[in-house]
Amino acid sequence: AQTVTQSQPEMSVQEAETVTLSCTYDTSESDYYLFWYKQPPSRQMILVIRQEAYKQQNATENRFSVNFQKAAKSFSLKISDSQLGDAAMYFCAYRSALGGSEKLVFGKGTKLTVNP
Amino acid sequence: KAGVTQTPRYLIKTRGQQVTLSCSPISGHRSVSWYQQTPGQGLQFLFEYFSETQRNKGNFPGRFSGRQFSNSRSEMNVSTLELGDSALYLCASSLVPTGINNQPQHFGDGTRLSIL
Repeated sequence: AQTVTQSQPEMSVQEAETVTLSCTYDTSESDYYLFWYKQPPSRQMILVIRQEAYKQQNATENRFSVNFQKAAKSFSLKISDSQLGDAAMYFCAYRSALGGSEKLVFGKGTKLTVNP
Repeated sequence: KAGVTQTPRYLIKTRGQQVTLSCSPISGHRSVSWYQQTPGQGLQFLFEYFSETQRNKGNFPGRFSGRQFSNSRSEMNVSTLELGDSALYLCASSLVPTGINNQPQHFGDGTRLSIL
């Protein structure tokens, strides 16, 4: 079974600074997808960024980028120019590319605080 | 376009009762998944439905069940409620099972279930 580990329960960053959230995963599969979701106090899970395992190029979405190291099974999220609205729980998630299943395996999350 | 709608938003029940939660996916979306979120266990996959068929099921007891209707709306039912069932229940929808084309899942705001 796949597992996802987020080793940082909490992180804080100053507004306009850069922060990196860590995520490692364990799988025996070679084809899969990785995601970062954001969950603000409003509770809705919002997709931040996603990465296909077969792509070597790291995904970027505006101020958000990932460092995907397939061999190391590492998938960190970098937030540049942090804004107050970035404060939330961030979850790393894994989805197998086999069988067409929707199932996401989530890490325990990292609570990000942005200080003004 | 309306997002994923979950009702009710909050629910309080007592041990031994049963409960039904509802999820209306984004218009046109045919795949629905359910997750349980607790502080201790984090986010755990419950089940997924596509075209009224359960495609995958997580490791939960038989007290947890679900179904999907022809209009893609989904319900999940929990019978003989236990204190440990207190959680945020999240529903996610996608156009088709994302394993086919990696379309992202869209989450609702969840139903907060409290068991007294």
